Amino acid sequence: ILNVEQSPQSLHVQEGDSTNFTCSFPSSNFYALHWYRWETAKSPEALFVMTLNGDEKKKGRISATLNTKEGYSYLYIKGSQPEDSATYLCAPRGSGGYQKVTFGTGTKLQVIP
Amino acid sequence: SQTIHQWPATLVQPVGSPLSLECTVEGTSNPNLYWYRQAAGRGLQLLFYSVGIGQISSEVPQNLSASRPQDRQFILSSKKLLLSDSGFYLCAWSGLAGEATGELFFGEGSRLTVL
Repeated sequence: ILNVEQSPQSLHVQEGDSTNFTCSFPSSNFYALHWYRWETAKSPEALFVMTLNGDEKKKGRISATLNTKEGYSYLYIKGSQPEDSATYLCAPRGSGGYQKVTFGTGTKLQVIP
Repeated sequence: SQTIHQWPATLVQPVGSPLSLECTVEGTSNPNLYWYRQAAGRGLQLLFYSVGIGQISSEVPQNLSASRPQDRQFILSSKKLLLSDSGFYLCAWSGLAGEATGELFFGEGSRLTVL
């Protein structure tokens, strides 16, 4: 993996469904992996900062896991609600220097009531 | 607590005109500063980042430039705008110098339309 890749690009789910997205990133020179939620007409806000291989973070119905050896992270949303509708971005810190923060293209989630 | 402000929030500029977007951070010192752009239908692209006064790293060769004249001030400029410069520009800051893992905190964004 040379760049940050996120899949799927977009996702429509019914309210109450659980869903997950993938972030793949270069595994060399890893410092941290961030997940952000970007709601329409707002600025991105951090959900999780993950630093250790095997990390699992949870905030309410949203959780994330990290595999730094193979360069991927999963974000899970349990029981999706309409307010979860947003674009979810991942951003690794490391490749090119820890100060450089490059985002994936994002996964746009639409939760249908 | 720390706050970040960027302005103007929206602007409409003709092709060939200059641009200046300004971003300031309060409540912290020596932050890392970033400019990102989201063009229509695209992801969040890193344009510039800065780890200190006068230190600018450019990620994308284009007609934009950035400057950091003061510790907590980051300016995005262009001498002549192109149609392709239209987009949503976000300024962000993170942690203290040397801090390697902290998340970014974003400003409110500036929507630029070049006609």
